[in-house]
Amino acid sequence: DIQMTQSPSSLSASVGDRVTITCRASQGISIYLAWYQQKPGKVPKLLIYAASTLQSGVPSRFSGSGSGTDFTLTISSLQPEDVATYYCQKYNSAPQTFGQGTKVEIK
Amino acid sequence: EVQLVESGGGLVQPGGSLRLSCAASGFSFSTYSMNWVRQAPGKGLEWVSDISGSSSTIDYADSVKGRFTISRDNAKNSLYLQMNSLRDEDTAVYYCARDSPLQPNRYWGQGTLVTVSS
Repeated sequence: DIQMTQSPSSLSASVGDRVTITCRASQGISIYLAWYQQKPGKVPKLLIYAASTLQSGVPSRFSGSGSGTDFTLTISSLQPEDVATYYCQKYNSAPQTFGQGTKVEIK
Repeated sequence: EVQLVESGGGLVQPGGSLRLSCAASGFSFSTYSMNWVRQAPGKGLEWVSDISGSSSTIDYADSVKGRFTISRDNAKNSLYLQMNSLRDEDTAVYYCARDSPLQPNRYWGQGTLVTVSS
């Protein structure tokens, strides 16, 4: 099975900072990569799919890039409401493995 | 409006069984694959199982294969997860989610808590 590895597992940044989270697949998955945001006590929310397509209604400060095995989620200017855990997920085939998550906090 | 509502969670002893349901509305249920995803307390998301619209394709995570069975009733717009031989490590919030190649897991239910404990 393909493994999904996110880094870092947590980060602390200041409001306005540029934040980058990476996700690496153990084998190529083309662009079948999604990113989710989960705030404490809430249901996961789809942010980005097809590696770089922003879900409708998601702020433009979020962006995704990559293909094959290496992917990136970028928050261009971190806002207080972005405090959450972010997950990547492969969805080209089963199992639809999630990364272990990256917890983002405000410094 | 798309709505997914899970039910059936609760406290069960190790080795016991439980059947989760997910009632769907607001979309053409039979045309979408559906997923079960779980989250243990304080842990990350874990994909559990998926089923195609016609039930012709079904997949399971290795951690539940042989113990859990996913099914659906398109006439009732409902998704199910039969969980047998439950273990402590199956304790989690279980979410159903609507799948699509274009928008994976765009819609989620609110989740139902399954607690396996003696």
